[in-house]
Amino acid sequence: QQQVKQSPQSLIVQKGGISIINCAYENTAFDYFPWYQQFPGKGPALLIAIRPDVSEKKEGRFTISFNKSAKQFSLHIMDSQPGDSATYFCAASPRFGAGTRLTVKP
Amino acid sequence: GAVVSQHPSRVICKSGTSVKIECRSLDFQATTMFWYRQFPKQSLMLMATSNEGSKATYEQGVEKDKFLINHASLTLSTLTVTSAHPEDSSFYICSAGRAAVHEQFFGPGTRLTVL
Repeated sequence: QQQVKQSPQSLIVQKGGISIINCAYENTAFDYFPWYQQFPGKGPALLIAIRPDVSEKKEGRFTISFNKSAKQFSLHIMDSQPGDSATYFCAASPRFGAGTRLTVKP
Repeated sequence: GAVVSQHPSRVICKSGTSVKIECRSLDFQATTMFWYRQFPKQSLMLMATSNEGSKATYEQGVEKDKFLINHASLTLSTLTVTSAHPEDSSFYICSAGRAAVHEQFFGPGTRLTVL
């Protein structure tokens, strides 16, 4: 079922730094690419999403960059905060990447 | 808007019993519902996709006779884990979507523990 590859598996960033998580997909039929944030014991919550006809989307501190020809997309979290510490999943909807455990140190 | 609820949030049962989990879209009509299973510190694994009024489409390796999915209305889907065993213990999460929009809205999850 691994049609979406996500890296890194874990990431430690200092407060105020930029967190970058990458994903690659295989199936060109995918047409909706969301990023989710999940806290322990909770369901995933949509952070930001992009469609393949757009190369970049920014919402607040979160930016998705999308490279259709390379079948890759990434999440950038600017000015990372300790409250951002969570597990992040990319998806080529409805399939999920493996997840990235982000820790933001104060 | 786009709220999805799941019930129960937590269930403990004995091995061999069946457990039903409900997933409801509270403020929109969901043409498609998805069921996922998540083991500790792992990703969400898609189990099946169901469209209202039709049979669910199961992912490879998911036993359809063990995980019964019913999507009887545009606001309700149920997952029944039949003859549950300890290895079925997991976090089960549903999501609801509208086909034309492709967005998925996730429920809070159900923690199943089989003793």
